[in-house]
Amino acid sequence: EIVLTQSPGTLSLSPGERATLSCRASQTVTSTFLAWYQQKPGRAPRLLMNSASYRATGVPDRFSGIGSGTDFTLTINRLEPEDFAVYYCHQYGDSPFTFGPGTKVDVK
Amino acid sequence: EVQLVESGGGLVQPGGSLRLSCAASGFTFGSYWMRWVRQAPGKGLEWVADIKQEGTEKYYVDSVKGRFTISRDNARNSLYLEMNSLRAEDTAVYYCARNQGYCSGGRCALLSDYWGQGTLVTVSS
Repeated sequence: EIVLTQSPGTLSLSPGERATLSCRASQTVTSTFLAWYQQKPGRAPRLLMNSASYRATGVPDRFSGIGSGTDFTLTINRLEPEDFAVYYCHQYGDSPFTFGPGTKVDVK
Repeated sequence: EVQLVESGGGLVQPGGSLRLSCAASGFTFGSYWMRWVRQAPGKGLEWVADIKQEGTEKYYVDSVKGRFTISRDNARNSLYLEMNSLRAEDTAVYYCARNQGYCSGGRCALLSDYWGQGTLVTVSS
């Protein structure tokens, strides 16, 4: 099983700042099948990125992703008020498909 | 507009059973793999099960194998999760999700692109 570790656990930032979220896998993620989801309280997860660096439909270009192998990063440039949420990385290349524990981005 | 609406959650005693449903609309249900994912209160996400378009292939996380059964009725645009021998650790919000195929480096894999709002299952005496 591929274990995903996310850091930091919580990121306290102000609107307009840049957020950098890290996801590390316990083994190589097959074919960069690494996705990022955003989740707000009481809501379903929303797909942001697939294949590490491709934005899902409708996702603003202030979101970007990079990475391969075992190390992946999600960057949010110029945080907007609606970006404060929990972000999960997810590998979907090898069963069981696993999620990281999440990074909470909250208002400083 | 893609919509997924789960129902059937509730309070059940340990060892009991429950059947979750997910009503799909806004897309050709029978053309997609579907998935159940759960989230324990205050915790992260856990993949539970996948089912192929015709229902001929099903996959489960080890912790639910032999206890949970995923199924679908394409004529009714509905996905189901039959849960038996429920345990306290099965307490979670259960989400149904549509799977989309994504390809990279000559391989393809399934990723959930649309999710329902979830239904809460509480296993407690």
